[in-house]
Amino acid sequence: DTAVSQTPKYLVTQMGNDKSIKCEQNLGHDTMYWYKQDSKKFLKIMFSYNNKELIINETVPNRFSPKSPDKAHLNLHINSLELGDSAVYFCASSQDPSGGAYGYTFGSGTRLTVV
Amino acid sequence: QQQVKQSPQSLIVQKGGISIINCAYENTAFDYFPWYQQFPGKGPALLIAIRPDVSEKKEGRFTISFNKSAKQFSLHIMDSQPGDSATYFCAASWRGSQGNLIFGKGTKLSVKP
Repeated sequence: DTAVSQTPKYLVTQMGNDKSIKCEQNLGHDTMYWYKQDSKKFLKIMFSYNNKELIINETVPNRFSPKSPDKAHLNLHINSLELGDSAVYFCASSQDPSGGAYGYTFGSGTRLTVV
Repeated sequence: QQQVKQSPQSLIVQKGGISIINCAYENTAFDYFPWYQQFPGKGPALLIAIRPDVSEKKEGRFTISFNKSAKQFSLHIMDSQPGDSATYFCAASWRGSQGNLIFGKGTKLSVKP
């Protein structure tokens, strides 16, 4: 009965590979996000989807492409992985896009290591 | 303008002491200020939040103090416990931001027994 679940939890891959991270939420929220947490723990938004529509697309390389097949799922596909992509990627969801009322619910993260 | 500045970067407190983490912002459009708590290997979890129409909000041992004129807000953890050891993030957003919650850089709190 996990609220926001991400798979895989760990991902180790070589430079140049393509990989995907999946996210599902069972909270009935309309908005989902991808955040990147770097080695210094800094959290930065990458994408925001509201009801399957892209709302926020921060400055991230084109190699990162989110896909939302329905409002309960938001997947992240990364092409041509680079060393600098190594980080923890968090999926989150909220009922209120501004994060008010009940805040964001985060998944447990996917630790991506590019070697 | 979009930044939320958080200090200190790390904090060590004795069990039973008060932990204080400070944040400052510049964008006066911000109207929602949450604090998130993150344990190792877990995602951040909402701890407590405040809107600028009140100067203080308390939930158990956790209190947010908000100073609108100074554009500052802080988290106070009373009677700090070893189980409070985690990384704490302040954040800010505004209505109509379409989900862009801006996070501070985090404070790693260690509570010594």
